[in-house]
Amino acid sequence: GAGVSQSPSNKVTEKGKDVELRCDPISGHTALYWYRQSLGQGLEFLIYFQGNSAPDKSGLPSDRFSAERTGGSVSTLTIQRTQQEDSAVYLCASSLGGDEQFFGPGTRLTVL
Amino acid sequence: GENVEQHPSTLSVQEGDSAVIKCTYSDSASNYFPWYKQELGKGPQLIIDIRSNVGEKKDQRIAVTLNKTAKHFSLHITETQPEDSAVYFCAARSLGGKLIFGQGTELSVKP
Repeated sequence: GAGVSQSPSNKVTEKGKDVELRCDPISGHTALYWYRQSLGQGLEFLIYFQGNSAPDKSGLPSDRFSAERTGGSVSTLTIQRTQQEDSAVYLCASSLGGDEQFFGPGTRLTVL
Repeated sequence: GENVEQHPSTLSVQEGDSAVIKCTYSDSASNYFPWYKQELGKGPQLIIDIRSNVGEKKDQRIAVTLNKTAKHFSLHITETQPEDSAVYFCAARSLGGKLIFGQGTELSVKP
């Protein structure tokens, strides 16, 4: 079956522009996570959706970051007024509400 | 909140040798500890995990040990092969459900 997919795979944008990153989780997975991975760094938790519960937004670094999950499936991470420090790989993962998280390949964001 | 420290940041071994990566965590309520392997240009992939009611778990050449008292856990890879070369991440999950990851270990296995 299909795994977690993310689009675009690469995104280059100019400072100050808004970007949207998309995540398609594995069908039926109730939990969805966004992480940020800066060059040579670990995975920084951003936001977590679980079913119909209110998302855990405790990892979002500023109010320029937001995420939605429509219909309990596809999720979009939006970064407004991008800054150079937003450059990173953004990873999405989904799980069946259990333990194992399945990761997508990531979106590499470069802010010039 | 939970904090996970991982050591070493880089590890180089000869093919056939063993590799050990260690992590410590801060939240005594954490109950699930996975290890992920990330190859270049790919997302992390789960290789083994352990729950807090178990002290050790093995899967072929990979084993994980957990010391709840000391709040540390380790990944052991025996008979390393060049294809084991990757970045390895440990993580801990607290009651809130989210995983907190260590900083990663870049393992290089030299043929």
